[in-house]
Amino acid sequence: SQTIHQWPATLVQPVGSPLSLECTVEGTSNPNLYWYRQAAGRGLQLLFYSVGIGQISSEVPQNLSASRPQDRQFILSSKKLLLSDSGFYLCAWSVSGEDGYTFGSGTRLTVV
Amino acid sequence: AQSVTQLDSQVPVFEEAPVELRCNYSSSVSVYLFWYVQYPNQGLQLLLKYLSGSTLVKGINGFEAEFNKSQTSFHLRKPSVHISDTAEYFCAVIPLTGGFKTIFGAGTRLFVKA
Repeated sequence: SQTIHQWPATLVQPVGSPLSLECTVEGTSNPNLYWYRQAAGRGLQLLFYSVGIGQISSEVPQNLSASRPQDRQFILSSKKLLLSDSGFYLCAWSVSGEDGYTFGSGTRLTVV
Repeated sequence: AQSVTQLDSQVPVFEEAPVELRCNYSSSVSVYLFWYVQYPNQGLQLLLKYLSGSTLVKGINGFEAEFNKSQTSFHLRKPSVHISDTAEYFCAVIPLTGGFKTIFGAGTRLFVKA
């Protein structure tokens, strides 16, 4: 069966510290991968998407970056966190538009 | 370009009452339509989807939605809600051509009261 793992579940980081969030998918090959951010009480903001290894598209200019070192691994990073980076980060995957997205359980990031 | 408008940001309703969450979309190409549910501090879960065929689609947890092409709407309904249906609901579209990115609405928070 197809599953998606996202960790950590919660994270508290000081301003200026680095960030690394990881997402892995099991049970499928060559998925499209996505990183979303959800600020408190707001909708979903697409940050990055990837259609293959090493292929990253950025939707929003910011101090975050993404990488896809393996087919089923998607990493969200930052060199120096800002207060405004706080939020709920969601990883998702899809293979075809007909099936919609499968989301991970999310990471609650608080920058202090 | 596509856009999705969820007409209500919050919908309070009493337990066992019916509910309708409204969604309108705009697109120059045909789209697939989806509803997702998000419980507190969790990821989104697919409730139901419309691809083609019958305009009334049924999903999990007793929800259903009706696609109306002329009104470009995809409203979500449930005849009798439970406390456990309290969550945020997102309407979404994905174009059949020209891309694979889902466009989400801003969400509707359903609050079921005892």
